[in-house]
Amino acid sequence: AQSVTQPDIHITVSEGASLELRCNYSYGATPYLFWYVQSPGQGLQLLLKYFSGDTLVQGIKGFEAEFKRSQSSFNLRKPSVHWSDAAEYFCAVGANTGNQFYFGTGTSLTVIP
Amino acid sequence: ETGVTQTPRHLVMGMTNKKSLKCEQHLGHNAMYWYKQSAKKPLELMFVYSLEERVENNSVPSRFSPECPNSSHLFLHLHTLQPEDSALYLCASSQDRYIVWDRETEAFFGQGTRLTVV
Repeated sequence: AQSVTQPDIHITVSEGASLELRCNYSYGATPYLFWYVQSPGQGLQLLLKYFSGDTLVQGIKGFEAEFKRSQSSFNLRKPSVHWSDAAEYFCAVGANTGNQFYFGTGTSLTVIP
Repeated sequence: ETGVTQTPRHLVMGMTNKKSLKCEQHLGHNAMYWYKQSAKKPLELMFVYSLEERVENNSVPSRFSPECPNSSHLFLHLHTLQPEDSALYLCASSQDRYIVWDRETEAFFGQGTRLTVV
């Protein structure tokens, strides 16, 4: 069965510091992987997605993620965090049949000055 | 602004009330979805509509009743809810029913309706 695990419920980083949010997935076939961000009071916004090809994917707002098949991971990174990055981040895997996303439980990011 | 609008943004209702959540998209998408987001739990897909036809229902209790009168509007009718139904309800849309996982496909989410059942 498909599943997504985000091991970190909450992360606090200082503004300007680097960031890495972890995501591990379980899926029997080639995964289609996504990162979404949810700002307070907002819906989910797509940051980036991986379907195939280059395993390092660039997204919006300076984020990137790297697909590592051997580790079943798709970690999100940003070299320098801004205060406006404080939000909830969701990793998701897409099934290649039907139309379902499987979401993780999310990681809440706090950015301190 | 994602192009998907949900109303109301907040709703408090008693367990005997009847209310409806509304979702609207003018992106030209053919598929629309309802998700439930509870604290510390993954997003749960509730319903999927494609071209106004319900194509998926993930064992959702009958106190939740969806309606899709056209491809731009989706409703979730609520009746005799329980306190554990309190959650953020998210609507999403995508171009097509069977999401072709190519680089141009994604789901667009609304801002959600925060529902509290008292």
